[in-house]
Amino acid sequence: EVQLVESGGGLVQPGRSLRLSCAASGFNFDVFAMHWVRQAPGKGLEWVSSLSWNTNSVGYADSVEGRFTISRDNVQNSLYLQMNSLRPEDTALYYCAKDSGGYGSGSLDCWGQGILVVVSS
Amino acid sequence: QSALTQPPSASGSPGQSVTISCTGTSGDVGLYNHVSWYQQHPGNAPKLMIYEVIKRPSGVPDRFSGSKSGNTASLTVSGLQAEDEADYYCSSYAGTNKLIFGGGTKLTVL
Repeated sequence: EVQLVESGGGLVQPGRSLRLSCAASGFNFDVFAMHWVRQAPGKGLEWVSSLSWNTNSVGYADSVEGRFTISRDNVQNSLYLQMNSLRPEDTALYYCAKDSGGYGSGSLDCWGQGILVVVSS
Repeated sequence: QSALTQPPSASGSPGQSVTISCTGTSGDVGLYNHVSWYQQHPGNAPKLMIYEVIKRPSGVPDRFSGSKSGNTASLTVSGLQAEDEADYYCSSYAGTNKLIFGGGTKLTVL
């Protein structure tokens, strides 16, 4: 069974950092692109970042460019999101999602249950 | 990066058909055949319903279909059922390793 489990969320003060993790199982993690997508409370989905299978192709939403860094460990079958200089508007449920291809064209065929990040003083 | 434009709400009676539109630009929906649709029930993670404009993942009922014309993609749900009531989001590849989502449409089964 394909499974994605996020961890690392919580309450953090504005300006501080947080690192999210996503543990993958049930599929060949090292051949698929991966994404982070967030959803603010009561709002719609917002794509955050993607990383190709070989880490050669990376993308970020304008809203997080320069503050967030996506990475992956194909040995540990894990995806990460380092979030720096956090702002209140980054408060959201963060989903880890698997792409159906290797280069992040955007067919997200498996999603984790999400991890909540709250940025507040 | 502006979100793709979706109507905030749509509705239909059981057995009817409803179509949800998703309007982008010539730089995303109009340029790439990487348009996807997701269904999200309250409290749940999104579920892929349509990918590459018209394709259905295994297990998705054939009542769900996708199409595209120019800069607008559409999701049609035929033979509406109570369990189809959910939020629906479109997304499109937008080049340079970027994705963009629509604002979402709340589908109500009357």
